[in-house]
Amino acid sequence: AQSVTQPDIHITVSEGASLELRCNYSYGATPYLFWYVQSPGQGLQLLLKYFSGDTLVQGIKGFEAEFKRSQSSFNLRKPSVHWSDAAEYFCAVILTGGGNKLTFGTGTQLKVEL
Amino acid sequence: EAGVAQSPRYKIIEKRQSVAFWCNPISGHATLYWYQQILGQGPKLLIQFQNNGVVDDSQLPKDRFSAERLKGVDSTLKIQPAKLEDSAVYLCASSLGGAVNEKLFFGSGTQLSVL
Repeated sequence: AQSVTQPDIHITVSEGASLELRCNYSYGATPYLFWYVQSPGQGLQLLLKYFSGDTLVQGIKGFEAEFKRSQSSFNLRKPSVHWSDAAEYFCAVILTGGGNKLTFGTGTQLKVEL
Repeated sequence: EAGVAQSPRYKIIEKRQSVAFWCNPISGHATLYWYQQILGQGPKLLIQFQNNGVVDDSQLPKDRFSAERLKGVDSTLKIQPAKLEDSAVYLCASSLGGAVNEKLFFGSGTQLSVL
């Protein structure tokens, strides 16, 4: 079945440690790929997106993501996590020809220990 | 620049009651979206408007949910009658257009609890 999978429901890291959040997709063609962040009481905010070209994408707040076609993955990374990064992170896709309709994964809740 | 405004922020109702949510998109944004986010799940698109026309409502439970966007600006989403499983956060988003490269701006949402 077509889907977006975020295998980790919860992740805890120490402040200053590196972070990698996993995202896998299962579609016939490579979709357009996005990462969003949702902080408590706030709306979803776009971190970065991949449409084509360079497979390493830089986003806001020091985040980056790497598209790997062979693994159908689009993992989000940050070299050094700050306490303010604690939030829920969603991977999302738009299917080719799907207009602007986002399909979201189930999310990964990030906790940062001081 | 003002963001996407939603009200109310919270709503508690009993099952079988009706409820309405309001959204005011960013000025000039032609495309408006309503998403439902159930606890523990990612947001799911309910309906997409382009100006005051519906582009996609394939996942809207039309027997109980309705939405309108009169004059192509503000929008309301209604549930009548509500069920327990409708408890969720209802997110409104807007974008300049409906193309795939248009950035979506999300509101803070309305949290609905159905008792």
